[in-house]
Amino acid sequence: KQEVTQIPAALSVPEGENLVLNCSFTDSAIYNLQWFRQDPGKGLTSLLLIQSSQREQTSGRLNASLDKSSGRSTLYIAASQPGDSATYLCAVAVSYNTDKLIFGTGTRLQVFP
Amino acid sequence: EAGVAQSPRYKIIEKRQSVAFWCNPISGHATLYWYQQILGQGPKLLIQFQNNGVVDDSQLPKDRFSAERLKGVDSTLKIQPAKLEDSAVYLCASSPWTGGTTEAFFGQGTRLTVV
Repeated sequence: KQEVTQIPAALSVPEGENLVLNCSFTDSAIYNLQWFRQDPGKGLTSLLLIQSSQREQTSGRLNASLDKSSGRSTLYIAASQPGDSATYLCAVAVSYNTDKLIFGTGTRLQVFP
Repeated sequence: EAGVAQSPRYKIIEKRQSVAFWCNPISGHATLYWYQQILGQGPKLLIQFQNNGVVDDSQLPKDRFSAERLKGVDSTLKIQPAKLEDSAVYLCASSPWTGGTTEAFFGQGTRLTVV
């Protein structure tokens, strides 16, 4: 059974810091891994999608890496801003036929001025 | 393009009452998902449709939850009767699905409180 864990559960940093969020999964047989952002009372916004054959993806100040063999992914946020404050969720797609996503419990990030 | 639309945004009901949620996916997306997100947890898949057929409903509590997707477009999720533990955010998502590689797009969710 696939389990996804995110560490840390919460993180508070001053503006401008570079930070790393971690995601680990127990079964390396995944098809893709996605990082989402969730603002309070809102739905999920997809940030980055890494296919199983890829090692990393970049979008602006965000960089996500994937190491399937070790069951790990990291989301790197450069030069953090107060607007980055949100909960960050990672999810793995576990079935080619269904695109079913298994989510972690998230990392709640607060960036203070 | 328009995103995934859900309604209502909020709902408060008493236990044992029934409730229904509605979802309109992104136009042309064949796959539709309903997820349940309990406070402090990640979303959990309840049911997945491919067009108007059910692909995965293994975690749907079928004694009280039901869902349908008419004509492969809009979908409704119903709970009858509701329990206190059903309090959660219900998220609808859609994807164009090309097999294991597609990105899911989520709606804003419906926050259900059962009292």
